[in-house]
Amino acid sequence: DIQMTQSPSTLSASVGDRVTITCRASQSISSWLAWYQQKPGKAPNLLIYKASNLESGVPLRFSGSGSGTDFTLTISTLQSDDFATYYCQQYNSYPLTFGGGTKVEIK
Amino acid sequence: QVQLVQSGAEVKKPGASVKVSCKASGYTFTNNGIHWVRQAPGQRLEWMGWINAGTGNARYSQKFQDRVTITRDTSASTAYMELSNLRSEDTTVYYCARSGTVGGTIFFDYWGQGSLVTVSS
Repeated sequence: DIQMTQSPSTLSASVGDRVTITCRASQSISSWLAWYQQKPGKAPNLLIYKASNLESGVPLRFSGSGSGTDFTLTISTLQSDDFATYYCQQYNSYPLTFGGGTKVEIK
Repeated sequence: QVQLVQSGAEVKKPGASVKVSCKASGYTFTNNGIHWVRQAPGQRLEWMGWINAGTGNARYSQKFQDRVTITRDTSASTAYMELSNLRSEDTTVYYCARSGTVGGTIFFDYWGQGSLVTVSS
């Protein structure tokens, strides 16, 4: 199975900050990576697919980059609505696997 | 608009089975896949398996291979996940999620609201 490791696990930031979350795969997954945002008690919401493609309707302040084993999700200017937990997911091979999550908290 | 609506919360005894449904609307059901993902409190998302709603072919995580069955009813635009031999650690929220059906599209663009399954004697 491909292991997905996110860092940091928790991130404290303020509105207006630039935020970067890292996801590392245990083997190459090409660009087959998605990012999701999840708020408490809700289902995850797709932000990015194929490492850098913004899902329709997702604000432009979200961006993704990377390929192979190392990926990043960047929020250019953090808004109050962005305080949530973020997960990466690889879809290079089965079983599909997720990272452990990064919780973005208010500083 | 695309919607996935799941069945309600369930309480089951250890050793029993549970069947959760996921009714799709707003798109052609057979053009996509339906996956099942679970999430224990404070834990990462865990993929269980999926079904190609068009062909009916299902694939499972090895972890759940011997306990999970995913089916679909195209006439009802509904997918089902049945988990057998329940144990306490199966107490968690189960989500269905939609994906494409070919390589490169197996990410989840729509999700159900989640169904809580509680296993307790």
